[in-house]
Amino acid sequence: DAGITQSPRYKITETGRQVTLMCHQTWSHSYMFWYRQDLGHGLRLIYYSAAADITDKGEVPDGYVVSRSKTENFPLTLESATRSQTSVYFCASSVGGKETQYFGPGTRLLVL
Amino acid sequence: EDQVTQSPEALRLQEGESSSLNCSYTVSGLRGLFWYRQDPGKGPEFLFTLYSAGEEKEKERLKATLTKKESFLHITAPKPEDSATYLCAVQGGTNAGKSTFGDGTTLTVKP
Repeated sequence: DAGITQSPRYKITETGRQVTLMCHQTWSHSYMFWYRQDLGHGLRLIYYSAAADITDKGEVPDGYVVSRSKTENFPLTLESATRSQTSVYFCASSVGGKETQYFGPGTRLLVL
Repeated sequence: EDQVTQSPEALRLQEGESSSLNCSYTVSGLRGLFWYRQDPGKGPEFLFTLYSAGEEKEKERLKATLTKKESFLHITAPKPEDSATYLCAVQGGTNAGKSTFGDGTTLTVKP
């Protein structure tokens, strides 16, 4: 009954370092999403995936890389972290493209 | 490009004082409009999905309605535990799988 989990929950890193945020869901949902939420704002889509090995860019993809080799996992990598990538990152999943999205608890990332 | 505007940004109510939150949207071919609740430090939690103008859905003290240009989240006799940020999102016909979110309305209900 884990649903959707994210790790780590908190991360502090330095400018220029590579960081990978993990997302795992137990429902076998086809779609998975990565959003970032900056203080006082809504969610902005970074990347999404319609199925294993199928990914597409969202609104703010620059500086991020994703992969999806297995249905249940959707890692997000910041190849060279910048201060502007300090944010809260949420992973979500849904059965289909227009269905309700279920969100993980978030990863709070601070880039120094 | 799909757009969502929520108003007001913040709303303070006394317990029992009913009010409404607004979500105005522009989208090419609405596939769905979603309302979520987000508590501090947590991920958004699904409340409602509306698909066509005229549709209404209710859950406890919350009622969501939809027209061709906007959606309202009506809160009847709110309690302090209704305090949260309420997010509205839309999916358009040309962007399968992509949801566009508004910035949210932060509701505070004082006892």
